[in-house]
Amino acid sequence: DTAVSQTPKYLVTQMGNDKSIKCEQNLGHDTMYWYKQDSKKFLKIMFSYNNKELIINETVPNRFSPKSPDKAHLNLHINSLELGDSAVYFCASSQARTGDDYGYTFGSGTRLTVV
Amino acid sequence: DQQVKQNSPSLSVQEGRISILNCDYTNSMFDYFLWYKKYPAEGPTFLISISSIKDKNEDGRFTVFLNKSAKHLSLHIVPSQPGDSAVYFCAATRWSGSFYFGSGTKLNVKP
Repeated sequence: DTAVSQTPKYLVTQMGNDKSIKCEQNLGHDTMYWYKQDSKKFLKIMFSYNNKELIINETVPNRFSPKSPDKAHLNLHINSLELGDSAVYFCASSQARTGDDYGYTFGSGTRLTVV
Repeated sequence: DQQVKQNSPSLSVQEGRISILNCDYTNSMFDYFLWYKKYPAEGPTFLISISSIKDKNEDGRFTVFLNKSAKHLSLHIVPSQPGDSAVYFCAATRWSGSFYFGSGTKLNVKP
């Protein structure tokens, strides 16, 4: 019954590989996000989608590409993985209301290790 | 099942007074806890964390207390300021494990 689920939870891969992380929410939320957690535990927004439409695209390398087939899913594809991509990636969702994000809910994270 | 719970969806406090935000967890294996603050339409920002080997960690106006026997942590903000009005999330994890977030507490600090 997980509200926001990410798969896989752990991903160990070699440099240069291409990998995807999937995110699904069953809350009926309109907006989904991808964050990267840095070594100091700060969460940096990468992308945000509202009803399958990209609304935030922060400065991330072109190797990162989000895909939203429907409003319940937001997948993150990463090409040509580099060592610096190693981090925990969080998916989140919310029901955006004017001036607020209602019911903001996080996934449990995907720990990506590039070797 | 929710491993981290914030049972108060909202809290209202007068400026200058103490704000206490609470968080309960069920998994005794968690060994690291974090607090994030989130303003509307912005991403969460990291506030403060605590390891399970400590029972208190202080950073300026923010102090986090950990009671392992009660599986409870709390965030104290003293003195509270209107700019502290935001949603606060607690999170818990164990080394190299998944993170579990609470559902958030909306703090309103009244001038």
